[in-house]
Amino acid sequence: SQQGEEDPQALSIQEGENATMNCSYKTSINNLQWYRQNSGRGLVHLILIRSNEREKHSGRLRVTLDTSKKSSSLLITASRAADTASYFCASDPPGTYKYIFGTGTRLKVLA
Amino acid sequence: EPEVTQTPSHQVTQMGQEVILRCVPISNHLYFYWYRQILGQKVEFLVSFYNNEISEKSEIFDDQFSVERPDGSNFTLKIRSTKLEDSAMYFCASSEAVGYTFGSGTRLTVV
Repeated sequence: SQQGEEDPQALSIQEGENATMNCSYKTSINNLQWYRQNSGRGLVHLILIRSNEREKHSGRLRVTLDTSKKSSSLLITASRAADTASYFCASDPPGTYKYIFGTGTRLKVLA
Repeated sequence: EPEVTQTPSHQVTQMGQEVILRCVPISNHLYFYWYRQILGQKVEFLVSFYNNEISEKSEIFDDQFSVERPDGSNFTLKIRSTKLEDSAMYFCASSEAVGYTFGSGTRLTVV
């Protein structure tokens, strides 16, 4: 499998529910970022978590990082219809000048 | 909040033609990047640029591609002879150190 795979590929929930998306990566990393992309639009940066951090919060978003399992999760609490988008993780292996993006999770929040 | 600006937002070109995609990074950023996203697929790294030279490039970034920082503000991606498979959304990004800011993208359609 590739560096940066996410599951589920698609997630459909009711407004008010929590949404959890997971990301796995293959190599060690310096940092991991989560992005949101509305259909056909640009990439919006959500959170950056460094390899020495385990958890980070920003508003309704909570990101965890487990470097021993090479995985990260993004939790969106109390979801809203406006959260409907694709969510990507991106990791940067040491010694490189790039981020490697995951395959993304398509989240649909039903009103 | 500072932004990365990309122009044009949408470009249609004939196969075999040259295209130049333009980006204005955030003014105090030192690292610049191009990524692309073929419709419905993951975001792929093309090239990173620092101190007026390429830091890293992917296998996608072959001899048909080039980047340039012609002045203190612009960062361009040139595709010399476009192919149908170059149709994609192209994203420019810049960073100061860690974490990127992405532009809203240029949708390139090769016909």
